[in-house]
Amino acid sequence: EAQVTQNPRYLITVTGKKLTVTCSQNMNHEYMSWYRQDPGLGLRQIYYSMNVEVTDKGDVPEGYKVSRKEKRNFPLILESPSPNQTSLYFCASSSSTRNSPLHFGNGTRLTVT
Amino acid sequence: EDQVTQSPEALRLQEGESSSLNCSYTVSGLRGLFWYRQDPGKGPEFLFTLYSAGEEKEKERLKATLTKKESFLHITAPKPEDSATYLCAVQANAGNNRKLIWGLGTSLAVNP
Repeated sequence: EAQVTQNPRYLITVTGKKLTVTCSQNMNHEYMSWYRQDPGLGLRQIYYSMNVEVTDKGDVPEGYKVSRKEKRNFPLILESPSPNQTSLYFCASSSSTRNSPLHFGNGTRLTVT
Repeated sequence: EDQVTQSPEALRLQEGESSSLNCSYTVSGLRGLFWYRQDPGKGPEFLFTLYSAGEEKEKERLKATLTKKESFLHITAPKPEDSATYLCAVQANAGNNRKLIWGLGTSLAVNP
């Protein structure tokens, strides 16, 4: 089954404790992206990757890192999480075809205390 | 500034009561307009892409239309399983990011 898989689904952590949210897709998609979703603010792009070894900042990249060493994986790293990073995070992927729709994972709900 | 506005924020319908959701946009050159459905606790699920004014797409009880300034998602004879948040997003011609500009969504509840 074609899918984007994120782990973990739920994560509670403390301020400053480094964490990684994994994302993997099995559709051979070139494009991958991370979003956060907050009430009243909607979906905001954190980072994106057009292909392996090519990543760039989205609208809200502060406090986040990403890497794209393999086509299928695009982990999101929070080096020193803070409470304002408490949010619902989504990984998404799409093919390189013009206007291809995004396929989303089921989300990671992160709470930073 | 590129912007997407969805209305209403929330809509409650009786089963079988048809209605429309609106997505108004301002963007410097439209590459595509996307509709997604999002169920609680899940990621958005792709519904439609529209590219140019006058275009229409249909899927079961849903029909999406596009003008130069807005898109409508028409829901005909909705069922309780159509309850979800419907998100609209636009992709502008500028840049290589393939970035989408998202609306805040319309939360639809269909009562049996």
